[in-house]
Amino acid sequence: KQEVTQIPAALSVPEGENLVLNCSFTDSAIYNLQWFRQDPGKGLTSLLLIQSSQREQTSGRLNASLDKSSGRSTLYIAASQPGDSATYLCAVPGAGSYQLTFGKGTKLSVIP
Amino acid sequence: GAVVSQHPSRVICKSGTSVKIECRSLDFQATTMFWYRQFPKQSLMLMATSNEGSKATYEQGVEKDKFLINHASLTLSTLTVTSAHPEDSSFYICSALGREQFFGPGTRLTVL
Repeated sequence: KQEVTQIPAALSVPEGENLVLNCSFTDSAIYNLQWFRQDPGKGLTSLLLIQSSQREQTSGRLNASLDKSSGRSTLYIAASQPGDSATYLCAVPGAGSYQLTFGKGTKLSVIP
Repeated sequence: GAVVSQHPSRVICKSGTSVKIECRSLDFQATTMFWYRQFPKQSLMLMATSNEGSKATYEQGVEKDKFLINHASLTLSTLTVTSAHPEDSSFYICSALGREQFFGPGTRLTVL
């Protein structure tokens, strides 16, 4: 059974810092990995989706990397802003299905 | 990205009543929709996979007679929590499967 772990559970940084969020998964037989953002009491916003054949994806100040063999992904946020404060979730689909297994998330607070 | 709506966004009900939550894909047809549940400070847990025109597939530990799912059209799936109890209080999120999963904004259920 796939398990997804995110470290740290919470992170507080001053505005302007670069930061890295970590995600690990136990079953490396995935065909993609997705990072989401969730604001308090809200649904999910998809940030980046990396296919298994890719090593990284970039969108603006966000860069996600994927190392399938080691079961790890990182989300790099450059020049953090208070508006980046949210919980960041990573998720992977199950083998042969579209069902997603989520990590518990990293709660990010960017202090002005 | 594609738009998925949920209604209601928030509902408070008395113990023993039934509550229906709607999930709509607004700009594409979704043969498959998913229902997730999220308890405070926990990640999203898949409850069931909803397939248009057929019975839903429930995850282990999810009572199909308590959480009734109907996917009668390609744009609408409903989740009915029957005889709700306080332990059913949670954040329910649906997603619709297009080229990837698109998530709704969630429904906060509070059972008194």
